[in-house]
Amino acid sequence: NAGVTQTPKFQVLKTGQSMTLQCAQDMNHNSMYWYRQDPGMGLRLIYYSASEGTTDKGEVPNGYNVSRLNKREFSLRLESAAPSQTSVYFCASSEWGLGNNEQFFGPGTRLTVL
Amino acid sequence: QQQVKQSPQSLIVQKGGISIINCAYENTAFDYFPWYQQFPGKGPALLIAIRPDVSEKKEGRFTISFNKSAKQFSLHIMDSQPGDSATYFCAASGIHQAGTALIFGKGTTLSVSS
Repeated sequence: NAGVTQTPKFQVLKTGQSMTLQCAQDMNHNSMYWYRQDPGMGLRLIYYSASEGTTDKGEVPNGYNVSRLNKREFSLRLESAAPSQTSVYFCASSEWGLGNNEQFFGPGTRLTVL
Repeated sequence: QQQVKQSPQSLIVQKGGISIINCAYENTAFDYFPWYQQFPGKGPALLIAIRPDVSEKKEGRFTISFNKSAKQFSLHIMDSQPGDSATYFCAASGIHQAGTALIFGKGTTLSVSS
């Protein structure tokens, strides 16, 4: 099993450009998440999808949109990138109902907005 | 409002020593408390987790101590090794609903000197 995969690994954008970060999981998990990690800030939730067909805002959703394409895939879109969106983006997935909330993380996408 | 406070921000420990990282939470509805380990350039990976019905959980050299009344929990790394050098994040969440996000502390960078 590959677990959670993310593409691309690195990306440099100019202010105002758009891009989509891709995430896929092969663990048959119902829930998927997008976090961003900034130095000294921990990980903060951008959007999540509790199950296929649903998406909800997290702590820092401004400037982002998401699509839960199917049970496996959850994409994050930046419509008009800003320097404040320079960050490392992590996708995660989990399965509910197991007595815990273990989330499995992908390797991350390192995004720089100039 | 930061719901999970983590300290210290950085920690240097000699090989063979004990590393201790502390976290405090505010929301009494939290009932899942994991620690994640992250190596440079990688995504976070679950190290150990505890539910509030126990005060301590041990897995190898890693122990979580949990104090429900004080709303605090800590990670102890016994016989610290250079390979333990990484960033550690505490987190907290509920478990009773699908798609529940983890609330992360800001992280502790641990360096184990040989």
